[in-house]
Amino acid sequence: AQSVTQPDARVTVSEGASLQLRCKYSYSGTPYLFWYVQYPRQGLQLLLKYYSGDPVVQGVNGFEAEFIKSNSSFHLRKASVHWSDSAVYFCAVSALWYNQGKLIFGQGTKLSIKP
Amino acid sequence: NAGVIQTPRHKVTGKGQEATLWCEPISGHSAVFWYRQTIVQGLEFLTYFRNQAPIDDSGMPKERFSAQMPNQSHSTLKIQSTQPQDSAVYLCASSLGVSNERLFFGHGTKLSVL
Repeated sequence: AQSVTQPDARVTVSEGASLQLRCKYSYSGTPYLFWYVQYPRQGLQLLLKYYSGDPVVQGVNGFEAEFIKSNSSFHLRKASVHWSDSAVYFCAVSALWYNQGKLIFGQGTKLSIKP
Repeated sequence: NAGVIQTPRHKVTGKGQEATLWCEPISGHSAVFWYRQTIVQGLEFLTYFRNQAPIDDSGMPKERFSAQMPNQSHSTLKIQSTQPQDSAVYLCASSLGVSNERLFFGHGTKLSVL
């Protein structure tokens, strides 16, 4: 069965520092991978997605993620965080060709930015 | 484009009452999804419609929960005889319905069952 693990429930970094949010998935084939973000009082928004090709994918607001098949990981990175990046970040996987919107989400990582 | 609209934003019901949640997808989107979000279980897929037809309801509880999409402009999630464990944020999302398409989520309806 597919699953997604985000081992860090909470992460705190200083503004301007670099960021990595970890995500590991369980699936034997090549999955479709996503990072979504949930800002306070807003709906979930797509940050980036990976299906194939270059394992490093660029997203919005300077975020990127790297797909490492050998490690079953899809970590999210940002070179320099801003206070507005404070939010909950969800990693998700989908593997159904007929229902790619059926996402298996991780538990989320709450990111707090220190001034 | 107002995005995916969910009403009401908050709903409080007593145990045993019925709750109906509404979703208006983005115009032109042919796929509609329902998810449930709780602290304990996180985000869980419930059901999926494409062109108003139910395609995958594998996440729906077998009893008391039902979803419909009577026309392309709205979908409903109905919970009969609500129980405290049904308390959650119910999220609706829509997409264009083609392969590899992103989901656009609404703000959700927070259901509280007393």
